[in-house]
Formats: sequence, C-alpha cells, structure tokens
Amino acid sequence: NAGVTQTPKFRVLKTGQSMTLLCAQDMNHEYMYWYRQDPGMGLRLIHYSVGEGTTAKGEVPDGYNVSRLKKQNFLLGLESAAPSQTSVYFCASSTLGTGAGQPQHFGDGTRLSIL
Amino acid sequence: SQQGEEDPQALSIQEGENATMNCSYKTSINNLQWYRQNSGRGLVHLILIRSNEREKHSGRLRVTLDTSKKSSSLLITASRAADTASYFCATDDEDSSYKLIFGSGTRLLVRP
Repeated sequence: NAGVTQTPKFRVLKTGQSMTLLCAQDMNHEYMYWYRQDPGMGLRLIHYSVGEGTTAKGEVPDGYNVSRLKKQNFLLGLESAAPSQTSVYFCASSTLGTGAGQPQHFGDGTRLSIL
Repeated sequence: SQQGEEDPQALSIQEGENATMNCSYKTSINNLQWYRQNSGRGLVHLILIRSNEREKHSGRLRVTLDTSKKSSSLLITASRAADTASYFCATDDEDSSYKLIFGSGTRLLVRP
C-alpha cells in the first residue's frame, strides 16, 4: 500500500512565485493535515480537513491556502512564496480525530526552498 | 504554540543500552502519542497512551504517563543502531478533537 504520497519531493522557488503541493492517501481516511517542520522544532499545523469539501485553519495558516475537493487528496497552495516559507512540509491523514485516539499517517515530506 | 516539550534534546548511547526520553505538556489531554522520524522521512506512529492509562508496552517500547505531573516517558530497551532517529511526543488539543500538538523532539543516536 502506498499510504500517504506527497508530490513533489523537492522544489526550489523564487520569492513571489506560486506553487501547489499535492497530498494523496489511499486509506479512505476522513481527516487530512498539512504541517511544516523547521530545524530543531516539532511539527506545526498549517491547515486541516475533517472531510471532503471542508478545511480549517491550524496554528500557522498565513500565506497558505488549501482545498479538499476529493476525499483522497489535500492540496496546499502558496500564492506568493516568501523566504520564511522555506521548510519541510508534511501531509498526514487519520481515520478519526485525535480525541478518539487515532494515530496520524505521514508522507515523506516535500522539501521547499524559497530564494 | 507547542504543547509537548521533550527532554533531553539529544541523546547518545551505546548499542544495547536503554534510552529514556521525557515529554512534558501543559494542558489536559485525552491521549498522548509517540512518533519516530528517521532522517529525511516522515513520522511513524509508535504508541498511544490514553489519559486513564499509566503504562503501556509495545515490543521494546515502554511508555508511562503521569497526568498529575503532565509528563510522559518513552523507554527503548536494548537499543539498536536502527533506533537512531528523532522521537516526538504529541498530545491532542483540548480545544479541538482533530489536532495533534507536537513537541520539539529528542534526537537519539545509538552507536554500534
């Protein structure tokens, strides 16, 4: 099983450019999440979705947009990239919410550099 | 804001030794999870402990939870070089049943 797949794996952008990160899961999970991980820090939640067609803001949503048009896909967009958005981005999914004690399944990340 | 804080930030041990990592958190929780991250990879779920549990085992892993002290520990017994990774604790958010809040992690190096 593929689990959670993120594309692309690496990308270099110039300041002001836009791009979309794609996350796809084949586990029929309801919940999907986008995190960023910066050196020496844990993961910080950007946006999340509790089902197809729904999205919500996380801890650090500014500068990002998301869409969940299909249950299996969760897209993260950067409209105008800034150097502060240089980071490793992780997508995750889960069957139910964390309050129900469900683990999250992670992709291997997208390493994004903004010059 | 970060909920869990791991201690120590880095740990270096010899293969065969035990490794203990600690996590402290700030607010009431329903459960606490531990994840492992190998270099260049995503996080992998290791074990979950609920707020009404005090100890849980899974293979060479032992997790304890002390809700009165708002702390948890992860013990890896008889460590192997393959255990070299970063370990993160994560708690659910008291304001939301959908989110996990991660600590900053412990980097474990197991020397052969």
